[in-house]
Amino acid sequence: EAQVTQNPRYLITVTGKKLTVTCSQNMNHEYMSWYRQDPGLGLRQIYYSMNVEVTDKGDVPEGYKVSRKEKRNFPLILESPSPNQTSLYFCASSPATRDRRGALHFGNGTRLTVT
Amino acid sequence: DAKTTQPPSMDCAEGRAANLPCNHSTISGNEYVYWYRQIHSQGPQYIIHGLKNNETNEMASLIITEDRKSSTLILPHATLRDTAVYYCIVRVIPYNAGKSTFGDGTTLTVKP
Repeated sequence: EAQVTQNPRYLITVTGKKLTVTCSQNMNHEYMSWYRQDPGLGLRQIYYSMNVEVTDKGDVPEGYKVSRKEKRNFPLILESPSPNQTSLYFCASSPATRDRRGALHFGNGTRLTVT
Repeated sequence: DAKTTQPPSMDCAEGRAANLPCNHSTISGNEYVYWYRQIHSQGPQYIIHGLKNNETNEMASLIITEDRKSSTLILPHATLRDTAVYYCIVRVIPYNAGKSTFGDGTTLTVKP
C-alpha cells in the first residue's frame, strides 16, 4: 500500500532531550516536507526537500534540523526541544509530476509534547 | 509561492451544495491551485487541483476564474462526513519546487 509512515504517533519528552521523528515513503517521491499544526494556525511548513541531499527552509525552521540521505526517508530532528515545539507534526511527500500524482500525500501525524 | 485567503468558517445543510471560496490574487502563471481537506487531526487529503480550466472528479468540482485570482471548490451534495477543514494552496509543478504554504483553511460544518 502506498503510504507515508511517521513514527512515533505520540511522544512526550522533556526540554533539551534530543529527539528524532522519522518519516518514510514507499512511493519513490522526490519531494518531502515537514509541517507543524497548532490550534488556530493551520499548517506551517518547517523544512522541505526536493530530492536526495537537497533541503531548504520552510516558514518556521528555527529549532529543527532535517536530512535527506535516502530518497524514502526524511527525519525531523529536534536537537534541544522546548515547550513551544509542542505541536502536531505531519510529514508529506509528492512526486515531481504534473497531474493528480503531484498532490501531497500526508502521514498520520506525530503529536509531540515537550514539558 | 502565492498566498491564499479563505473564510474561516462556513455552514452548509446536508444534501445541499457547499461552495468554498479561495482568493489567490498573486498567483503566478506556473502555479496550480490544489484543494485538500483535513478531518479532525488526520493528515490532509487531496481533493482536486487545476491550472486554469474548471475541473471535476468523483469528489468535487473546481471553478477557477478567468483571471485565476480566485477559485471555488464545490461539493455538490454535502454529507455530514464532509465536515472538515478545507485548505486551498498554490504550488509550482511539475517540479514541486519550493514551499507548499497552507493557510488557515475554512472549517466547513455540514448540518442535518
